[in-house]
Amino acid sequence: KAGVTQTPRYLIKTRGQQVTLSCSPISGHRSVSWYQQTPGQGLQFLFEYFSETQRNKGNFPGRFSGRQFSNSRSEMNVSTLELGDSALYLCASSLAPSGGGNEQFFGPGTRLTVL
Amino acid sequence: AQSVAQPEDQVNVAEGNPLTVKCTYSVSGNPYLFWYVQYPNRGLQFLLKYITGDNLVKGSYGFEAEFNKSQTSFHLKKPSALVSDSALYFCAVRGGGSQGNLIFGKGTKLSVKP
Repeated sequence: KAGVTQTPRYLIKTRGQQVTLSCSPISGHRSVSWYQQTPGQGLQFLFEYFSETQRNKGNFPGRFSGRQFSNSRSEMNVSTLELGDSALYLCASSLAPSGGGNEQFFGPGTRLTVL
Repeated sequence: AQSVAQPEDQVNVAEGNPLTVKCTYSVSGNPYLFWYVQYPNRGLQFLLKYITGDNLVKGSYGFEAEFNKSQTSFHLKKPSALVSDSALYFCAVRGGGSQGNLIFGKGTKLSVKP
């Protein structure tokens, strides 16, 4: 069974631009979560989608948004990029909504660099 | 609020020796605890989890973790370290209830020398 895939793997943007990252979950998984990983802040939760609905949201500004499609694929968008948005963005999927003992399976991440 | 702490930024171990990566947590209700490993330029790989039951949990690649409720700890262990175990290890917690994203520790870099 194929794992979580994320595209693109690497991205370079300039301040003020916007970016869209894509995540395809493991087949059959309906929950997709996004995390931002930076050396300073570590891994921080962005949001979770299940059945095309946002279930949970982390403490990030409104410039960060996401959506999920009927095939469970998810995209996240960051508008008006700032230097501090440079990070590894990780997508994770699970069969059921995150909660309890459900483990999440992570993709390889998209490395975003903002110049 | 839920939180998890990994008190060591780095752990150095000689190959063949036992290793321990420490994790303590704070959560209301019953904790759900996880360990993940991250290799360079890769995503996180699930190692093991504690939900309930036996305090000693066995996971992938020979790793195990011991849940200690009184000390609110969930230390990751392996009896004999391999050079290939060198990576970044993350402890994560999720509180009880129907919702709950993972709250991760800062990570511990494990370095196993030959």
